Amino acid sequence: GEDVEQSLFLSVREGDSSVINCTYTDSSSTYLYWYKQEPGAGLQLLTYIFSNMDMKQDQRLTVLLNKKDKHLSLRIADTQTGDSAIYFCALEAYSGAGSYQLTFGKGTKLSVIP
Amino acid sequence: DAGITQSPRYKITETGRQVTLMCHQTWSHSYMFWYRQDLGHGLRLIYYSAAADITDKGEVSDGYVVSRSKTENFPLTLESATRSQTSVYFCASSGGGEADTQYFGPGTRLTVL
Repeated sequence: GEDVEQSLFLSVREGDSSVINCTYTDSSSTYLYWYKQEPGAGLQLLTYIFSNMDMKQDQRLTVLLNKKDKHLSLRIADTQTGDSAIYFCALEAYSGAGSYQLTFGKGTKLSVIP
Repeated sequence: DAGITQSPRYKITETGRQVTLMCHQTWSHSYMFWYRQDLGHGLRLIYYSAAADITDKGEVSDGYVVSRSKTENFPLTLESATRSQTSVYFCASSGGGEADTQYFGPGTRLTVL
């Protein structure tokens, strides 16, 4: 099955850029996602990228996709204390009969130092 | 208010008891999912459903049962709870719309003593 890897922790200073990385093994996903989880809450979709794109920018967020290296990254510009959370990379995989599943990485805990 | 809700938010039970976690969504989404979140494992899929009366197993389905008699509800039952089922459980739904986005509930923290 799909294997999705992320580093577990990242610490940055407020105002700096954060880069969260994700590597995966199966290249057949149509969509690749970044979810954010704040303490005690569910997951919230931050952004996604279609597999035929290399880059997507959405305000402070930039997603880069390197299909050759099977590498996905999320860059957060001007990181704020409110960005402190766990960030999950997720890939979509079809499981047959019109159904699909998401495979998640273990999550990267981003800590922003004031 | 529209959205996806889970109940209860917190539950403590004992080994061997049956427990049912509820999930309700108001969007009439076709797809619904149950995940468990554990330290060191991220989120793992337990069961999913493509429509009412259609369910299928995920990665970690042993010890769990689901049903989907109505589109809006997707209850998850632990038939005989074990300590290894202590976890945070998330329900999600998707209408297959833009990017097949899944929307998550707030989670249920279950402790099995």
